[in-house]
Amino acid sequence: QVQLVQSGAEVKKPGSSVKVSCKASGGTFRNYAISWVRQAPGQGLEWMGGIIPIFGTANYAQKFQDRVTITADESTSTAYMELSSLRSEDTAVYYCARRKAGSGWYYWGQGTLVTVSS
Amino acid sequence: QSALTQPASVSGSPGQSITISCTGTSSDVGDYNYVSWYQQHPGKAPKLMIYDVSNRPSGVSNRFSGSKSGNTASLTISGLQAEDEADYYCSSYTSSSTLFGGGTKLTVL
Repeated sequence: QVQLVQSGAEVKKPGSSVKVSCKASGGTFRNYAISWVRQAPGQGLEWMGGIIPIFGTANYAQKFQDRVTITADESTSTAYMELSSLRSEDTAVYYCARRKAGSGWYYWGQGTLVTVSS
Repeated sequence: QSALTQPASVSGSPGQSITISCTGTSSDVGDYNYVSWYQQHPGKAPKLMIYDVSNRPSGVSNRFSGSKSGNTASLTISGLQAEDEADYYCSSYTSSSTLFGGGTKLTVL
């Protein structure tokens, strides 16, 4: 059974960067797309971008194109999402998610709360 | 790209059926059979309920069904139960990204 375990909560200053990890166990890491989705307090889900580890190239939502970097390390079965130039509006729970079959995101991490505050 | 459009809220009584719509465009919902639906309870991660328009993952109740017509996808929940009360999100693949709907709060009266 696939499990995604994310790194712990972070508190960051405006203008700084945050890097969240998502370690996968079980299943084959390299073949399945992993996406990052965030949810601001009381708000809906927002797709940020994704990567297929075997290809190594990420694609990003236009909104985050210039601020987010998504990478994957096959040796440790870990995906990373780094968001730079943080502002208060980036305060949210960040989730990683992986497909099982078809287009849906079946496996989800537990979420990582990132708080941006001066 | 804009988010997909969902009603903010729907409600129904136990045992009834409800349908949640998800409207996109000919570039997303209308162009791909890659619509999925997620259920989210407060403080929890989303749970996949439907993928590829109408497929249910193993373990998801057959009370949940999905369909699509043109640029609008729908999630139907039959035989409403108290535990179905949650937020529901639709999602669609596009050529370059994934879009989510704004979410629908389902209240079981």
